[in-house]
Amino acid sequence: IAGITQAPTSQILAAGRRMTLRCTQDMRHNAMYWYRQDLGLGLRLIHYSNTAGTTGKGEVPDGYSVSRANTDDFPLTLASAVPSQTSVYFCASSEGTGHLTGELFFGEGSRLTVL
Amino acid sequence: GQNIDQPTEMTATEGAIVQINCTYQTSGFNGLFWYQQHAGEAPTFLSYNVLDGLEEKGRFSSFLSRSKGYSYLLLKELQMKDSASYLCAVMDSNYQLIWGAGTKLIIKP
Repeated sequence: IAGITQAPTSQILAAGRRMTLRCTQDMRHNAMYWYRQDLGLGLRLIHYSNTAGTTGKGEVPDGYSVSRANTDDFPLTLASAVPSQTSVYFCASSEGTGHLTGELFFGEGSRLTVL
Repeated sequence: GQNIDQPTEMTATEGAIVQINCTYQTSGFNGLFWYQQHAGEAPTFLSYNVLDGLEEKGRFSSFLSRSKGYSYLLLKELQMKDSASYLCAVMDSNYQLIWGAGTKLIIKP
């Protein structure tokens, strides 16, 4: 089934550890995004990529980094995890470039707990 | 600042109609989206409005008034599977999506 795959589904992590959340899509979408979702708050954009080889900062980029070596993969790295990064992380993609097309396709999410 | 407001929670009865409101204040406007998110799952796209008026798609309709900064999602003939959170999002002048916190809809038999 075509779509977006995220891994891991869930992870408990000690503070200070490095962690990479993986995201792969097979829809050949140009744009990809990482959001975090916290109770009582709307989805917040961490980083985005309009096309392979380019990345940009979203609303809450601090403590996170991304890379986009190819069209399909868009990993999110927490260099040194802190408890405030406990959240559900969603990877998403859209056709075209950037946010212009609007409709986003989301992965199933990665629930991260930092202790 | 930019702001999207929607009720935190609503309750409705199976078979009835419910209207979920969304008001927004953003830097510019390039469209409004509604997404559905079942508990523990990913959001899925429901509708997109960029012009004023009503867009109907089966049991779901979405309305937009740009002058009032207002939208609503109307769900008819409610089914138990409609129990979910409904997320309102506005695309601003920089084509960035601003998301509301979501409205949790509880359907009772």
